[in-house]
Amino acid sequence: GAGVSQSPSNKVTEKGKDVELRCDPISGHTALYWYRQRLGQGLEFLIYFQGNSAPDKSGLPSDRFSAERTGESVSTLTIQRTQQEDSAVYLCASSLGFTGYGNTIYFGEGSWLTVV
Amino acid sequence: AQKITQTQPGMFVQEKEAVTLDCTYDTSDQSYGLFWYKQPSSGEMIFLIYQGSYDEQNATEGRYSLNFQKARKSANLVISASQLGDSAMYFCAMREARDPHEKLTFGTGTRLTIIP
Repeated sequence: GAGVSQSPSNKVTEKGKDVELRCDPISGHTALYWYRQRLGQGLEFLIYFQGNSAPDKSGLPSDRFSAERTGESVSTLTIQRTQQEDSAVYLCASSLGFTGYGNTIYFGEGSWLTVV
Repeated sequence: AQKITQTQPGMFVQEKEAVTLDCTYDTSDQSYGLFWYKQPSSGEMIFLIYQGSYDEQNATEGRYSLNFQKARKSANLVISASQLGDSAMYFCAMREARDPHEKLTFGTGTRLTIIP
């Protein structure tokens, strides 16, 4: 597609439920990132994919968070047993991989998650 | 230590005036890239401008320019002739070559409000 696409754009869920957030990166981009942004704050790195593997999961805040990527394309971020502190915007981004730090990382519009 | 520091949480600027958003960074890497993103209320992160650590000239993109002072580790964004549509959050970010996953590290952002 033309840009990074994320769904759902908005999600309200009850505490304790599981949620799945989806990201469709720019075609041909091998690197994919998930970031979290709490209200009024900066972006926190969550996880990085190169192809289908995730060499850097250092930002995942707890074992309730997991992510996968298939076909070197779509990625899903899953949050189990959601808590109110999980309320945030979850931003997905992609870039060309293995070609240097100068490659721009392009972001989607984010999935706004509210846990009530 | 913070890798990216943005000391201006909020700024108010009269329409048509120029504005400078401050950013300082901290790295021991010789090879790195500096990025500015704009985040309107819709939540999407929009790439504005990039400066590589070896670039001798300041980057420019339309009304945006990056005032890069390497010795001071400063990468300020200058917006000329500000417009009402420039009202948004602005984030400075860095990507270091030594990071094999090439992820972006963000500052806390500056909220810019353009006054008619």
